[in-house]
Amino acid sequence: GESVGLHLPTLSVQEGDNSIINCAYSNSASDYFIWYKQESGKGPQFIIDIRSNMDKRQGQRVTVLLNKTVKHLSLQIAATQPGDSAVYFCAENIRGGSYIPTFGRGTSLIVHP
Amino acid sequence: DGGITQSPKYLFRKEGQNVTLSCEQNLNHDAMYWYRQDPGQGLRLIYYSQIVNDFQKGDIAEGYSVSREKKESFPLTVTSAQKNPTAFYLCASSIDRLGQPLHFGDGTRLSIL
Repeated sequence: GESVGLHLPTLSVQEGDNSIINCAYSNSASDYFIWYKQESGKGPQFIIDIRSNMDKRQGQRVTVLLNKTVKHLSLQIAATQPGDSAVYFCAENIRGGSYIPTFGRGTSLIVHP
Repeated sequence: DGGITQSPKYLFRKEGQNVTLSCEQNLNHDAMYWYRQDPGQGLRLIYYSQIVNDFQKGDIAEGYSVSREKKESFPLTVTSAQKNPTAFYLCASSIDRLGQPLHFGDGTRLSIL
């Protein structure tokens, strides 16, 4: 969930556990969603995307779930590794003339060896 | 290798000075974007361009200016009118404006002297 001030929501897990990162989006007209991973001092990198005509999509060790009823998106990472430690952002793209991505605040994932 | 190059990696601005951040891409992408990231915050859109010689204001355009004279280049100028310019600036591109993932550069960190 959201937090106040400069502190990102943080998820701490042990290496090998599964991680679930949640995101609530705001606009019911959004029809394309993307998860990005940002390592310290670098730009975000694309992980996985999903369009609103799907409710689940799987990649390598990652799964994205979309619940349009409650406007909720989640990213599941299987067998989390120390290299997965990063800030994860969800972005929603609103259906219309231009797809301008709108980003959430992000969640910091910390993986302990 | 194709990608987005941002320069410089670190930049310092004196009071009253304009500074320009460079962003170059060799991905042949039509759309380019500038985002600002503050500590513990998500990405906020400054300006975007979906085609050469055209650009649009984002959510926080005041105190910034851009140009798009070439497809591969989208420089951002932080003017003296931007009173709180200290932030991490991220440039991104996408194939087109029709809902595709963004490719990000590794950012420029701007600080005030």
